[in-house]
Amino acid sequence: AQSVTQLDSQVPVFEEAPVELRCNYSSSVSVYLFWYVQYPNQGLQLLLKYLSGSTLVKGINGFEAEFNKSQTSFHLRKPSVHISDTAEYFCAVSSILTGGGNKLTFGTGTQLKVEL
Amino acid sequence: DTAVSQTPKYLVTQMGNDKSIKCEQNLGHDTMYWYKQDSKKFLKIMFSYNNKELIINETVPNRFSPKSPDKAHLNLHINSLELGDSAVYFCASSQDRGSGNTIYFGEGSWLTVV
Repeated sequence: AQSVTQLDSQVPVFEEAPVELRCNYSSSVSVYLFWYVQYPNQGLQLLLKYLSGSTLVKGINGFEAEFNKSQTSFHLRKPSVHISDTAEYFCAVSSILTGGGNKLTFGTGTQLKVEL
Repeated sequence: DTAVSQTPKYLVTQMGNDKSIKCEQNLGHDTMYWYKQDSKKFLKIMFSYNNKELIINETVPNRFSPKSPDKAHLNLHINSLELGDSAVYFCASSQDRGSGNTIYFGEGSWLTVV
């Protein structure tokens, strides 16, 4: 069974500071990893995903993540955050469904709060 | 154009009532889903449909009955609502094959049972 652990439930950070949101996964098969962002009272938006190839993945809004197989991690980073980055961030691992489609198993989320 | 749209966005109802949430996607995807986000913001898949056929039901009570009239629609009907059903319900869709396919989510439906 696949699982995702997000160790930090909340991460406060000042504007223009760098931030790292941690994600560790457990999977017995090939890993496909995702980061989604949820702004208040909104749906989930894809930030980036890792399928294969380069372990450094760049996403939208200046975010990037690094896949580390030996440490089973997929941490999300941004060198300089903005107040508008305040949101809930979810790490997820994908598994294929017999019969079609795929299933996302989510971590418990990390609330990023950017302060002035 | 909204890719995955669901209505209503907010729904407040009494225990014991029956309610429906509608979902439509205009992405041409074959697979649609319902996810539930509880009060602690934990997200979990409920159902998956592929070409109108049920693929998975993640131990969801029988009171929840999804219906897919065509590939572009997946509605969620809930009978005899309970307090514990209060949550945010997200509709989503993706292409058929491949674990790497992006799942696109709707804006969510906030259900409050009183």
